[in-house]
Amino acid sequence: EVQLVESGGDLIQPGGSLRLSCEASGFTFSSYWMHWVRHAPGKGLVWVSGINSDGSITRYADSVKGRFTMSRDNAKNTLYLQVNSLRAEDMAVYHCARGGLGRLESYWFDPWGQGTLVTVSS
Amino acid sequence: DIQMTQSPSTLSASVGDRVTITCRASQRINTWLAWYQQKPGKAPKLLIYDASSLDGGVPSRFSGSGSGTEFTLTISSLQPDDFATYYCQQYNTYSLYTFGQGTKLEIK
Repeated sequence: EVQLVESGGDLIQPGGSLRLSCEASGFTFSSYWMHWVRHAPGKGLVWVSGINSDGSITRYADSVKGRFTMSRDNAKNTLYLQVNSLRAEDMAVYHCARGGLGRLESYWFDPWGQGTLVTVSS
Repeated sequence: DIQMTQSPSTLSASVGDRVTITCRASQRINTWLAWYQQKPGKAPKLLIYDASSLDGGVPSRFSGSGSGTEFTLTISSLQPDDFATYYCQQYNTYSLYTFGQGTKLEIK
């Protein structure tokens, strides 16, 4: 069964940092684009960042560029999102999702993980 | 950036009804469009990709259509399990993926 399990969410003060993880199983992790999407309370889904299969290409939404860093460890089948300089508007459930195979960057997301909650509050 | 506008934001309907949700793109995206279903506290679930292709295991009462800038998701006969929030997503642009704001499907 293809599965994605996020962890690392926490209550953090504004300006703080956190590292989110997403452990993948049931598929060849090293062959796929992977993404982070966040869902703030009462709002819609927002794409945050994406990374290609070998980690050589990363993409970011303008709202997080320079503050968030996405990476992956294919040996550990794990995806990461380092989130720095956190703001109130970053508070959300962060989902990881599988994208396209190989060079297929323009692709839908399937499956998704259940998400991990990042709460930003003093 | 490509903006995605869904309508309506909320839809009240009854079991057995036929419902349609619309998604409009601010630029042409051919058929690079997906639809997802999300229930509270759960992961989004892929329903439709490439505007009209049904993902495996998704009931045939769900269908998608459209190309260019206008797209629709139709549920032919609502079932109790279908009450959820639905999102469209464009994946045409290489550096940004944008979602519609969501349509909450409620029981009338």
